[in-house]
This record gives sequence, structure tokens and C-alpha cells, in this order.
Amino acid sequence: EAGVAQSPRYKIIEKRQSVAFWCNPISGHATLYWYQQILGQGPKLLIQFQNNGVVDDSQLPKDRFSAERLKGVDSTLKIQPAKLEDSAVYLCASSLVAFPARGYTFGSGTRLTVV
Amino acid sequence: LAKTTQPISMDSYEGQEVNITCSHNNIATNDYITWYQQFPSQGPRFIIQGYKTKVTNEVASLFIPADRKSSTLSLPRVSLSDTAVYYCLVGDNFGNEKLTFGTGTRLTIIP
Repeated sequence: EAGVAQSPRYKIIEKRQSVAFWCNPISGHATLYWYQQILGQGPKLLIQFQNNGVVDDSQLPKDRFSAERLKGVDSTLKIQPAKLEDSAVYLCASSLVAFPARGYTFGSGTRLTVV
Repeated sequence: LAKTTQPISMDSYEGQEVNITCSHNNIATNDYITWYQQFPSQGPRFIIQGYKTKVTNEVASLFIPADRKSSTLSLPRVSLSDTAVYYCLVGDNFGNEKLTFGTGTRLTIIP
């Protein structure tokens, strides 16, 4: 079974620039999550999709972050404009159901550095 | 929202059994307990999940006392490759709670 694919692996941008991350979940997984992990901290949930609908985006900074999941498969997370404090690893995870007995499957993440 | 508390770090020697305890005093009736492992530059990886008593799989055991206010992840005969951060999460199977990762326990295995 192929894992969760994320790209790019690394990204360095200047503050106030825009950036987008891409995630391809495991085939057939209806639920997709984006997490932000700041160095030294645990992952923080940003947004949860069920198919192509948003289930929870209460912790997404909507003034600068946006996410979409077209056709209920791939997803993109965008930051516009970026701030220094957005430097983090952005993790995508997927699962068959919202709280699976075998947990989520995470991708390796995209490491964003804002300078 | 059930909050979890874990030790920040632990050290252990190779070949020993390691027990990491997580406190979740306000766990709800519908909540399950899940543990993840995270290596540097990788996303977290599911280890084990349980509701009560004891659960065992090929990599770990999870002990949950009757009051469910804590749980203990047990790693048998650890090796250097078990050096990682371990996270304890609490949440229900209906998606009614956000699965919140704490700061985790940084386990270092010493040769």
C-alpha cells in the first residue's frame, strides 16, 4: 500500500510571500488532515476534510491559510502571506474513517522555513 | 477536551523494557487511547490503541487501569532504533473531539 505523499519536501520563502503544499492521501481514504508541527512541539491540527467537505477548521488561521480538497482526493494547503512564525513542518494524514482503530497514516511532511 | 500529560524525556539502555506513562484525568466514557511514535524528519506513526485493560500487538503493549485516568505504553527489549518521540492521544471514535498531540516523551536509547 502506497503511503501518504507530500510535496515539496522542503521550501524556503521570504516573509510575505505565498506558498502551497500538496498532499495525495492513501487511495480510498475519505478523511484527510493537515497538521502544523513547530520545532519541539507536537503536531497541531489545522483542518480536517471528510471527502471534499470541511469537517473542522477551527484552528486554521483563515486570514492567511486556506485549504481545499477537490474531488475528495488530493489536497492543497496555502499560506498567503507567510509570516516568520509559520516556519514549521506541515504534515498531511489520512484515514478511512474519522477516528480509525489503526490510527492515521502520516506523510513525511513539508518543512517550511520563512526568512 | 481530554488533555494528556507525559514525561518530557526518558533514557533507557538497549535490551531493557521501557514503560512510558500518560495521564489523562478527564478522559470521557467514549474516549480511546492511542499512541504514536515519531522519528526525526518523519510524520508520526501509529503504534497501538486501547480502551481498557491490556492491548498487545507486535511492537508494544498498552496497559490501562480500571479508572482509565492513565495508561502505560510498554516497549519490550528496546534497541537504538526505538529512539523517538512518543505521543499519547485521547479521543472518541465518533470524531467528536479533536485529536490533540501534546509535546510527547522523547525516549533516548543508550547503547
